[in-house]
Amino acid sequence: DAKTTQPTSMDCAEGRAANLPCNHSTISGNEYVYWYRQIHSQGPQYIIHGLKNNETNEMASLIITEDRKSSTLILPHATLRDTAVYYCIVRSYYNTDKLIFGTGTRLQVFP
Amino acid sequence: GAVVSQHPSWVICKSGTSVKIECRSLDFQATTMFWYRQFPKQSLMLMATSNEGSKATYEQGVEKDKFLINHASLTLSTLTVTSAHPEDSSFYICSAGQGGGNTEAFFGQGTRLTVV
Repeated sequence: DAKTTQPTSMDCAEGRAANLPCNHSTISGNEYVYWYRQIHSQGPQYIIHGLKNNETNEMASLIITEDRKSSTLILPHATLRDTAVYYCIVRSYYNTDKLIFGTGTRLQVFP
Repeated sequence: GAVVSQHPSWVICKSGTSVKIECRSLDFQATTMFWYRQFPKQSLMLMATSNEGSKATYEQGVEKDKFLINHASLTLSTLTVTSAHPEDSSFYICSAGQGGGNTEAFFGQGTRLTVV
């Protein structure tokens, strides 16, 4: 599975949009981009995933560049409960649910 | 949505004893489950892949005789930390999915192990 690069930490004001970038320049054609987050002392929580089109669900939006070498997770209106570590993971279509975690981005939402 | 449940949520044990952690898929069958370990302020590290009806596959550097994995049914995998030592204290997390790279994998809530 391809490797990802994320900023170590980010801050965001409550109510503002949080934009979390991820670089995956070695991604291959059959690999999806997944985002998970982990709130302190809990198991990771699925947020969203996509292949090449932008995706949106009730939690977030995922914007994938046309060349698929990077993506951005957008939390449209961050709340204090969104404070967590966010992991961007590239996963093969043929993978049997195995996820390899990088270091992630620690997002701090402040009042 | 699909749920993966771990038990116990936390456990304290004495050095030299063994501890068993259970991971269950509650509303789906999982032929494969995964076990992760996470030390404070670090990311999740994949330890092993649990395969129903066959031997687990361990990642490099993980001692298979110390971390025994059993996947006896399609909804249950267990991780036994044998002869635990303080350095085994960590957060252990399991995951399972319904198969394929286009479906999400679900994680248990984790088990905090403290060896004293």
